[in-house]
Amino acid sequence: DTAVSQTPKYLVTQMGNDKSIKCEQNLGHDTMYWYKQDSKKFLKIMFSYNNKELIINETVPNRFSPKSPDKAHLNLHINSLELGDSAVYFCASSQDQGGDTEAFFGQGTRLTVV
Amino acid sequence: GDSVTQMEGPVTLSEEAFLTINCTYTATGYPSLFWYVQYPGEGLQLLLKATKADDKGSNKGFEATYRKETTSFHLEKGSVQVSDSAVYFCALLTGGFKTIFGAGTRLFVKA
Repeated sequence: DTAVSQTPKYLVTQMGNDKSIKCEQNLGHDTMYWYKQDSKKFLKIMFSYNNKELIINETVPNRFSPKSPDKAHLNLHINSLELGDSAVYFCASSQDQGGDTEAFFGQGTRLTVV
Repeated sequence: GDSVTQMEGPVTLSEEAFLTINCTYTATGYPSLFWYVQYPGEGLQLLLKATKADDKGSNKGFEATYRKETTSFHLEKGSVQVSDSAVYFCALLTGGFKTIFGAGTRLFVKA
């Protein structure tokens, strides 16, 4: 069973379009995240949700809107896509907020904006 | 703020060579420290971790020791294999919800 699954795996779209990436975890974790990985592999956190509540918003343009219908899902909606949004987006989850909690990652969604 | 600095890559080694990837951190509290590995086309997965000073994390022949005095968590392996080729990320987690990652170090191992 896949622990953290995100869809789609690949997404190619034109500038100006609106798109969504879905994420689901079956680990029973309370906290979920979205990370953006650029072409140089640099990994930067975008959002964190704990029990469906937004905890971290790291200066992300408001074109990006996360939505958590329940604590097992954290979807990412992007409006008015721009060329600079091209990257790999990773969803992750963890059990709780501190201590030695490791994060479990999805396989990533490679977004290409043309 | 908290941060992680790791050596720039790529690192290219021959099979059975010794590997060291340096990692240092800055944190206001007492973080837990992690190494994650990303194989081509995949997400990150935990390689090893250490939660307090002088702890040694180990897995699959890789080791790293939490050194509070030097704020370091260097990754080592005595004999690398071609299958170890990947990107390695050092990371820290303090009391909040945010794991902070280093920039990643790409490792190439030649047969």
